Amino acid sequence: SQTIHQWPATLVQPVGSPLSLECTVEGTSNPNLYWYRQAAGRGLQLLFYSVGIGQISSEVPQNLSASRPQDRQFILSSKKLLLSDSGFYLCAWSDDRGGGTEAFFGQGTRLTVV
Amino acid sequence: GESVGLHLPTLSVQEGDNSIINCAYSNSASDYFIWYKQESGKGPQFIIDIRSNMDKRQGQRVTVLLNKTVKHLSLQIAATQPGDSAVYFCAESRMDSSYKLIFGSGTRLLVRP
Repeated sequence: SQTIHQWPATLVQPVGSPLSLECTVEGTSNPNLYWYRQAAGRGLQLLFYSVGIGQISSEVPQNLSASRPQDRQFILSSKKLLLSDSGFYLCAWSDDRGGGTEAFFGQGTRLTVV
Repeated sequence: GESVGLHLPTLSVQEGDNSIINCAYSNSASDYFIWYKQESGKGPQFIIDIRSNMDKRQGQRVTVLLNKTVKHLSLQIAATQPGDSAVYFCAESRMDSSYKLIFGSGTRLLVRP
């Protein structure tokens, strides 16, 4: 069966510090991968979407970047965090079957920038 | 488009009643839709999906209705239970954007005992 791992669960970082959040998927190959951000009490904003290794689309202008060094690994990074980067970050994957399929989410990382 | 900046509207229902949660989507080219449930501090969980060639799909205690004419999606929950209390999101996708999922603004469902 497929599983998705996202870590850490919580993170408190000072303004200006770097960030690296990692997400890995097991039990599938060539998944579509997503990074979403959710502000408290709000909806999910798509940050990055990847359909393959090295293929990443950035959905909104921001202080973050994403990389996909391996087929089932998706990393969210920042060189210098801003206060506005605080939020709940969710990684997700879906099958690359075409025609649209559901995405499966990790448990999220709650990031607080202080 | 996305409404991620809006505070979540709340629907309060009595336990045992039916709940109807609504969602409007903006892109007429969207052809695949999903409802998700998100409990506090957790990632969203899949509830039910529907493709644009259908207008109704039923699951266990849940029904999704799709009205493409007015670009409206609804989730009906029968005999709502306290465990149904959560935030519900609709998501849409389409072929010309590689089927990436774009989420709606969400609705908080509160079930009164």
